[in-house]
Amino acid sequence: DQQVKQNSPSLSVQEGRISILNCDYTNSMFDYFLWYKKYPAEGPTFLISISSIKDKNEDGRFTVFLNKSAKHLSLHIVPSQPGDSAVYFCAASDVNYGQNFVFGPGTRLSVLP
Amino acid sequence: NAGVMQNPRHLVRRRGQEARLRCSPMKGHSHVYWYRQLPEEGLKFMVYLQKENIIDESGMPKERFSAEFPKEGPSILRIQQVVRGDSAAYFCASSRGQGRYEQYFGPGTRLTVT
Repeated sequence: DQQVKQNSPSLSVQEGRISILNCDYTNSMFDYFLWYKKYPAEGPTFLISISSIKDKNEDGRFTVFLNKSAKHLSLHIVPSQPGDSAVYFCAASDVNYGQNFVFGPGTRLSVLP
Repeated sequence: NAGVMQNPRHLVRRRGQEARLRCSPMKGHSHVYWYRQLPEEGLKFMVYLQKENIIDESGMPKERFSAEFPKEGPSILRIQQVVRGDSAAYFCASSRGQGRYEQYFGPGTRLTVT
C-alpha cells in the first residue's frame, strides 16, 4: 500500500512557465514533508521542506503548498528552466515515530526550451 | 568535498557472492540512512543507524542483509549470497539529527548481480 503517491509519472512544461508537481499521502500522522530532485546517475538533492504547522514555504523559484485536510502537497517551480528537468520525489515522515522518510515513486519533469 | 560519499559507485557481483557498500556521512552528521531504488520505482527505506546503533531496520529484508555504523569508519551495508533481485541502486543519506532535519544523499552504488 503506497502511503505517498505521485500520480503523474511525467510532466512536460515550456521554459518560463510554471511547473506544478503533485503529491498525495494517506497517513494522517505524517507531519514533515520534503521534495527532492534527482538527475540520472546521481543521488537525490534536497530542494525544500514543509512541516504540518505551515501551509506554504518558499525558496526562490520553488514553493511548496500543503493542504492537510486533503492530504495533498504540491511543488511549484516558476519560472521553469531547462535545468529543472529531472525526477522529483516527494517524501513524508511522522517525526514523532521515527526518522525514516517514505518516498513517492517520482515525477519526471521535462522543461522544453 | 564535504558531501555524503559512497563507494563503490558501481559493483558487479555473481549470484551467491557478497556485496559490501560503504557510506561516509557528511561532516558533522551522525545519522545514516540506507535506501534502495529498484528500476522505475521510488526510494524505499531500509535502515537508520547512529554510531554503533541500529535505530530502525524495519525496511531491511529479514535475511542476507545487514548494516553497521561503527564508531570509526564508514557505514557498511552488507548483502550476503546476492540474487538477481538485489540488483538496484543503493543510496545512503545522512542528517544532523533526529526530527525535522533534511537528509542529504550520496551519489549511490549501483549493484548489478549477474
